[in-house]
Parts: sequence; C-alpha cells; structure tokens
Amino acid sequence: AQSVTQLDSHVSVSEGTPVLLRCNYSSSYSPSLFWYVQHPNKGLQLLLKYTSAATLVKGINGFEAEFKKSETSFHLTKPSAHMSDAAEYFCVVTQQWFGNEKLTFGTGTRLTIIP
Amino acid sequence: EPEVTQTPSHQVTQMGQEVILRCVPISNHLYFYWYRQILGQKVEFLVSFYNNEISEKSEIFDDQFSVERPDGSNFTLKIRSTKLEDSAMYFCASRYRGEQPQHFGDGTRLSIL
Repeated sequence: AQSVTQLDSHVSVSEGTPVLLRCNYSSSYSPSLFWYVQHPNKGLQLLLKYTSAATLVKGINGFEAEFKKSETSFHLTKPSAHMSDAAEYFCVVTQQWFGNEKLTFGTGTRLTIIP
Repeated sequence: EPEVTQTPSHQVTQMGQEVILRCVPISNHLYFYWYRQILGQKVEFLVSFYNNEISEKSEIFDDQFSVERPDGSNFTLKIRSTKLEDSAMYFCASRYRGEQPQHFGDGTRLSIL
C-alpha cells in the first residue's frame, strides 16, 4: 500500500519569504509523486510531477520539489511567496498498473500568505 | 487549454433521492476518474473507468454508486439513494495515457438534506 504524509496542516509565511511544504511518502516500489494545488472553490491543478527522471523537479508558478529516496521525502519549495500562492496544497502518490493509475492524496497543507 | 467540466457546481438533494453528477472529460482522454472530498478531509479515490468499464474502485464505491459514459463525451456518477454522509465535493478527472497526469474539473458540491 502507498501513502503520503503531509507534516503540516497549516503553514503561514510572509509575502516575499521562502515557502516549504513538507511531504513524506511510503511506497513498496519506485513511486510517481505529484503536488496539486486547490484554490478556493476551484478544482485541483497540477503543480509538478516526479516520474523517476531528474530528482529536482520544476513546476509552474516558481515552485519546485526535490525527490530524496534516502529520506522518502518530496518537499515543495518556492524562493519567494506571492499573495496568489495562498491555497491548499496536496502531495500525491500514484499506484499504476497496465496503463491505469490511482492517486492517493495527503491530507493537505493550507498555505497562508501574510502581507 | 482543454478543460474537464463538471455540472452542476452545486447540487442540493433530499436524503434517499437519486442524484447524477455530470462530467465532460477532455476529448482525447482515455481514462476517467471520480474522487470525493468530504469537508475538512482529504481527497479520496472512488473509481476509475477505461474502455467502457470500471478498472478499479475503492471500498467507498458500493452498490449505491454507478458510473456511465453514455454517449462518448459525458461521464456520469450516479448515487441511487443518497445518505447524509454522501455530502461532499465530487471531482471528476481524466487522463490521456502513459505518464500523462490527471486533469481535474472544478468539482460538484453535493449537499444532502
């Protein structure tokens, strides 16, 4: 069975300061990992994905994440927070079989940006 | 950019009534999914659908739930006899194939009274 643990349910940072959202995963084989973002009353938007290529993955809106197998982590970072980054962020691990897949979501981290 | 669209955005239904949630996936996608998110909880997988049949379902997806792709464009989730605990946001997603990611709609908020 696969799972992800998001270590912080709520993170607050000041505008212009770095963002760190933490995620640890558990998987019996090499996982594919994603970060999705959910703005209020909107759907889930893919930020970035890791699928066993480069361990440092760059996504949209200046976000990036580093896959660290030794630490079973996939933390999301951004050098400088913007007000528009305020949202809920989900770390996701996939289970894939014969071309199909199922996403397993973490519990989410709500990011608040302080002006 | 193509989008997954879901209707309605908010559905209010009496307990015990049937409800159908509708989704129009991205046109060339091959895999279709439903997820739900109970208020304050995490997003949970319900079912995946490929080649006109269910390929995987969770334990949540019991006999009260069904999915259908009636006309090659719409993808529907039916709940036969709704319960209070079915109140949630329901997300539809679709995916092309291979390592392509799932694309999500904006969701339907289902409120059971």
